[in-house]
Amino acid sequence: AAGVIQSPRHLIKEKRETATLKCYPIPRHDTVYWYQQGPGQDPQFLISFYEKMQSDKGSIPDRFSAQQFSDYHSELNMSSLELGDSALYFCASTILRDTDTQYFGPGTRLTVL
Amino acid sequence: QQQVKQSPQSLIVQKGGISIINCAYENTAFDYFPWYQQFPGKGPALLIAIRPDVSEKKEGRFTISFNKSAKQFSLHIMDSQPGDSATYFCAASTSGTYKYIFGTGTRLKVLA
Repeated sequence: AAGVIQSPRHLIKEKRETATLKCYPIPRHDTVYWYQQGPGQDPQFLISFYEKMQSDKGSIPDRFSAQQFSDYHSELNMSSLELGDSALYFCASTILRDTDTQYFGPGTRLTVL
Repeated sequence: QQQVKQSPQSLIVQKGGISIINCAYENTAFDYFPWYQQFPGKGPALLIAIRPDVSEKKEGRFTISFNKSAKQFSLHIMDSQPGDSATYFCAASTSGTYKYIFGTGTRLKVLA
């Protein structure tokens, strides 16, 4: 069965650089969520999109922005990177009207040097 | 403030034993409670989930017990195996918002 695809899987950036993380949801899934997981921490909700519109917002820094495109893939743009942004970034998808279950991708490990 | 409190932080169980992880929540608007298993460097994978109208749900070796009045729910792993060694997260969500609030995680180690 198709799963959530995230790219890149690993990313190394310098402080103050920008990064773009991509998420391709499971086919026919209309909702995408982004989570940030620091070392030894639980995943923290950042932002979600339903049918290409932002549906909820969590603890996402103003330096970050995201969008969902017409093919339902989503991109998380991160600017002015800080050391503390080093984390695993997960994307999850679901069919919002059918289920509350979120299916997570393998994550992107971002390292900021 | 952690909206979903999870315990214990770590757990060591002998092979064949029962692993029990507990979660408690405050927000009575939560109406969906999944459990996820995560291996190092991997994404969380859904194990089992429950809604407040059910007190227990079993799938294979995994059972969720739910106590609505106490606002607590727990995961029981029967006949624990070394392959179950992973970090387990409980979560909660509310219809209409759907974002997950995760517990702090339990690192389970099953000894062979």
